[in-house]
Amino acid sequence: NAGVTQTPKFRILKIGQSMTLQCAQDMNHNYMYWYRQDPGMGLKLIYYSVGAGITDKGEVPNGYNVSRSTTEDFPLRLELAAPSQTSVYFCASTSTGREEKLFFGSGTQLSVL
Amino acid sequence: GENVEQHPSTLSVQEGDSAVIKCTYSDSASNYFPWYKQELGKGPQLIIDIRSNVGEKKDQRIAVTLNKTAKHFSLHITETQPEDSAVYFCAARTNAGKSTFGDGTTLTVKP
Repeated sequence: NAGVTQTPKFRILKIGQSMTLQCAQDMNHNYMYWYRQDPGMGLKLIYYSVGAGITDKGEVPNGYNVSRSTTEDFPLRLELAAPSQTSVYFCASTSTGREEKLFFGSGTQLSVL
Repeated sequence: GENVEQHPSTLSVQEGDSAVIKCTYSDSASNYFPWYKQELGKGPQLIIDIRSNVGEKKDQRIAVTLNKTAKHFSLHITETQPEDSAVYFCAARTNAGKSTFGDGTTLTVKP
């Protein structure tokens, strides 16, 4: 099993550009999450999904969108990138829900200049 | 909302010594407390977790203690090894299912 796979690993965007961060898991987990990690800070939840077709906002959803068309994939869309979105983004999944026993991907480092 | 404070922010120990990282939380409704280890360039990895109905949990060289009255929980690593060097995060999750993470502790184990 590959676990949770995120692409790309690094990306530089210009202000106003858009992009999609990809996340895929092969563990058949229903619950998936997107977090951002700013330097020296803990993780903050952006969006989450409890199953295909169901998504909900986390603590910091502004400027982002998600979709969940399959159990495996949970892409995060950034529209009109801003410097405040410079961060490391982590995708995670779990079979138990409620943010327990999370499996994380290796992250996407995004810079918006 | 929940507030989680983690201390210290950096910790340096000699190989073989013990390391202790402490987190305090504010919401008495929090009932799940995981600890994650993040190595350089990688995502966090769950190393141990504890629920509010348990006071202590141990897994080989790692243990977590929970004091619900004082609202704090601690990670204890004994017989530290260089491969224990990483950033460690605590988190507290409330009944509503919302997690708050600490800001992390950078642990360095010197050979």
